[in-house]
Amino acid sequence: NAGVTQTPKFQVLKTGQSMTLQCAQDMNHNSMYWYRQDPGMGLRLIYYSASEGTTDKGEVPNGYNVSRLNKREFSLRLESAAPSQTSVYFCASSVGLSRQTQYFGPGTRLLVL
Amino acid sequence: EDKVVQSPLSLVVHEGDTVTLNCSYEVTNFRSLLWYKQEKKAPTFLFMLTSSGIEKKSGRLSSILDKKELFSILNITATQTGDSAVYLCAVGGMGTSYDKVIFGPGTSLSVIP
Repeated sequence: NAGVTQTPKFQVLKTGQSMTLQCAQDMNHNSMYWYRQDPGMGLRLIYYSASEGTTDKGEVPNGYNVSRLNKREFSLRLESAAPSQTSVYFCASSVGLSRQTQYFGPGTRLLVL
Repeated sequence: EDKVVQSPLSLVVHEGDTVTLNCSYEVTNFRSLLWYKQEKKAPTFLFMLTSSGIEKKSGRLSSILDKKELFSILNITATQTGDSAVYLCAVGGMGTSYDKVIFGPGTSLSVIP
């Protein structure tokens, strides 16, 4: 039982490049989330998925897209990376939207040059 | 605007000391307050508090919520070097479609031998 897994662990991109961050959970959770974490700003929600087949914007969605591929997997795509997107990205899951205890993946550290 | 404020932002103590971390909040339609511990990687869940005045305990950690004054404290007694981490406070509020969770910036605790 791996919980929430994320790939890659670390990535360096040049401005304008694209990439997809992958996330998977094996806890049979309905809801999944993508956050970014920047120094002094806590975790900020980018997008979330209440259940398979639905996605919604969070606090800071600009420059990102997501796909809820199936119940297990929720990917985050940067179409044209910018230095402002340098951050640590965390994926999380919860039983449902009404269950606010979230379980986090190990994070992806992204550097955009 | 919803917000979660934590204090202090950083703290250095010696092993054996007792520390108190503070979290105050303004969140619409409050549902719960959560504490997470974040070491090198992913935040891990510590407590969820929903009712005022009821202390939650886990070993040397304890937490209590005051819904009237809109704050919570996290106490750690007899600190150990393994307690060194960032402690995140998050507050859940009931939204129209999403039970949002707002994270504070965290308190960085360093415990020195």
